[in-house]
Amino acid sequence: AQSVTQPDIHITVSEGASLELRCNYSYGATPYLFWYVQSPGQGLQLLLKYFSGDTLVQGIKGFEAEFKRSQSSFNLRKPSVHWSDAAEYFCAVGDRGSSNTGKLIFGQGTTLQVKP
Amino acid sequence: SQTIHQWPATLVQPVGSPLSLECTVEGTSNPNLYWYRQAAGRGLQLLFYSVGIGQISSEVPQNLSASRPQDRQFILSSKKLLLSDSGFYLCAWSPSAGQETQYFGPGTRLLVL
Repeated sequence: AQSVTQPDIHITVSEGASLELRCNYSYGATPYLFWYVQSPGQGLQLLLKYFSGDTLVQGIKGFEAEFKRSQSSFNLRKPSVHWSDAAEYFCAVGDRGSSNTGKLIFGQGTTLQVKP
Repeated sequence: SQTIHQWPATLVQPVGSPLSLECTVEGTSNPNLYWYRQAAGRGLQLLFYSVGIGQISSEVPQNLSASRPQDRQFILSSKKLLLSDSGFYLCAWSPSAGQETQYFGPGTRLLVL
């Protein structure tokens, strides 16, 4: 069965520092991969997605992610973190085996804290 | 452009009372629709999804039910709320026919006392 693991439950970085959030997936074929961000009390906002093609994907708010098939990873990166990036980040994989239901499998999330 | 609405934004209900949360999508037709629950400090749990009017699939056994009376309307209900039903409820939609990007509503905070 497909699964998504975000190994880091909580990460703290200083403002201006670089960021990398880890995501590992288990899937038998080329997956659809997503990163979402959730601010406190809000819904989830799509940051970026990978379906095929270039393995380095650019998203909104200066984020990027790289799909590495050999490592089954889709890590999210940002070169310089801003205080407004403090939020919860979710990695997800598209469940292609679900006959066009569009279901996603989410990781447990990583909470990002930004120190001034 | 497409938008998704949820209401109410916040709800405080006594144990044993009924529940009705509503989700509507504008600007698209025949979307796939989803209900998630997010308990405090935890990830997202898919509760129900629907690929069409009257078609509801349940992901986990629970005290809740869902209905889709219209193409772009998705309702989450309960006849008698439990304390464990407290949480943050998120509705999402995705285009049908294999595109799996989901777009989320603003959520409803439910507190059962």
